[in-house]
Amino acid sequence: AQSVTQPDIHITVSEGASLELRCNYSYGATPYLFWYVQSPGQGLQLLLKYFSGDTLVQGIKGFEAEFKRSQSSFNLRKPSVHWSDAAEYFCAVTGGATNKLIFGTGTLLAVQP
Amino acid sequence: DAGITQSPRHKVTETGTPVTLRCHQTENHRYMYWYRQDPGHGLRLIHYSYGVKDTDKGEVSDGYSVSRSKTEDFLLTLESATSSQTSVYFCAISEYAGGSYEQYFGPGTRLTVT
Repeated sequence: AQSVTQPDIHITVSEGASLELRCNYSYGATPYLFWYVQSPGQGLQLLLKYFSGDTLVQGIKGFEAEFKRSQSSFNLRKPSVHWSDAAEYFCAVTGGATNKLIFGTGTLLAVQP
Repeated sequence: DAGITQSPRHKVTETGTPVTLRCHQTENHRYMYWYRQDPGHGLRLIHYSYGVKDTDKGEVSDGYSVSRSKTEDFLLTLESATSSQTSVYFCAISEYAGGSYEQYFGPGTRLTVT
């Protein structure tokens, strides 16, 4: 079955510290992978995506993610977290012609001063 | 901004009443989607559309129906609302950009069924 797992429900980091959010997927075909961010009470904003080519992809707001096919992972990273990064982060996968997204359950990021 | 609006943004309704949520887009996208967001579940696909009058079921379609009579509008109907349908509903469109399709989301509708 196709699925996305985000093993960390809640993460707290200090401002200025590095961040890595984990995402593992199960998908039968070549996956297209996405990270979205959702601030409280807001909609979802696309941070970055992977669909082919270079396995390290850069996104907005200083985020990057690395696709590792051997580990079925697509982890999100940021070298130095800002207080404004506090939000919920969702990993998602698709691959079919209809582009239906399968989401993980999300990771809630808290940033402490 | 993908030009997606949702209405209403908030609604409280009673169990057993019909409810229709509207998604409107301004950029002529072919694919449109309805998701619901619940704590601990992320977002789950309810229905999607791949053109006018062309729709199909998603993962959690029971109790929901959709219609798309115009490219720009995608309606989600709860025929008889239940408390389990209390959720935040997001509409999305699919747009081709940077070598692949991407989905962009509307602002959401918070629905409470009492």
